[in-house]
Amino acid sequence: QKEVEQDPGPLSVPEGAIVSLNCTYSNSAFQYFMWYRQYSRKGPELLMYTYSSGNKEDGRFTAQVDKSSKYISLFIRDSQPSDSATYLCAMSRYSGNTPLVFGKGTRLSVIA
Amino acid sequence: GAVVSQHPSWVICKSGTSVKIECRSLDFQATTMFWYRQFPKQSLMLMATSNEGSKATYEQGVEKDKFLINHASLTLSTLTVTSAHPEDSSFYICSPQEETQYFGPGTRLLVL
Repeated sequence: QKEVEQDPGPLSVPEGAIVSLNCTYSNSAFQYFMWYRQYSRKGPELLMYTYSSGNKEDGRFTAQVDKSSKYISLFIRDSQPSDSATYLCAMSRYSGNTPLVFGKGTRLSVIA
Repeated sequence: GAVVSQHPSWVICKSGTSVKIECRSLDFQATTMFWYRQFPKQSLMLMATSNEGSKATYEQGVEKDKFLINHASLTLSTLTVTSAHPEDSSFYICSPQEETQYFGPGTRLLVL
């Protein structure tokens, strides 16, 4: 079993839809959880950074972490064509100073 | 967030040649840099960790003689792919340990 599992998609939604992206993980030691957006041929861009269980909201984006289920989610409200990208989840045991473990990424297309 | 640059952004080379990739931290000092590799439709995987003034450490399965890492200063880490082969074609990305949430823009290598 891989440490982090993420459905690669592709996921196609109409503009304005709510998008739900998810990852599961096996290592209960992970405490820091991140979501990245990656456009084609570009480096990953940090979207959300959360610690332990709970929710965090930033504009149209909401990140949820359920450590008891080892499950994290990213919700995108009012999705836009510009949100079309690959979304990667990542996690680590410690804050900074340690490399991240990534999911495979989910490719999202938002259709106008 | 941390500003990290990489050069070149993309390179095409013939099989057997060596390619050097530079990673610079522009607004802070990075004593340690993580180097990741991303194959098409795969997640980012940690390759090696470079340490300023000392030897790099490599992940299992990564050949240290093939991927030479030099971290000569607090603002520059380099990765040299020696005698590159088509299977080395990938997207190489660096991330400073001090700001592990942030990544360079990546270098796309295509070996013909």
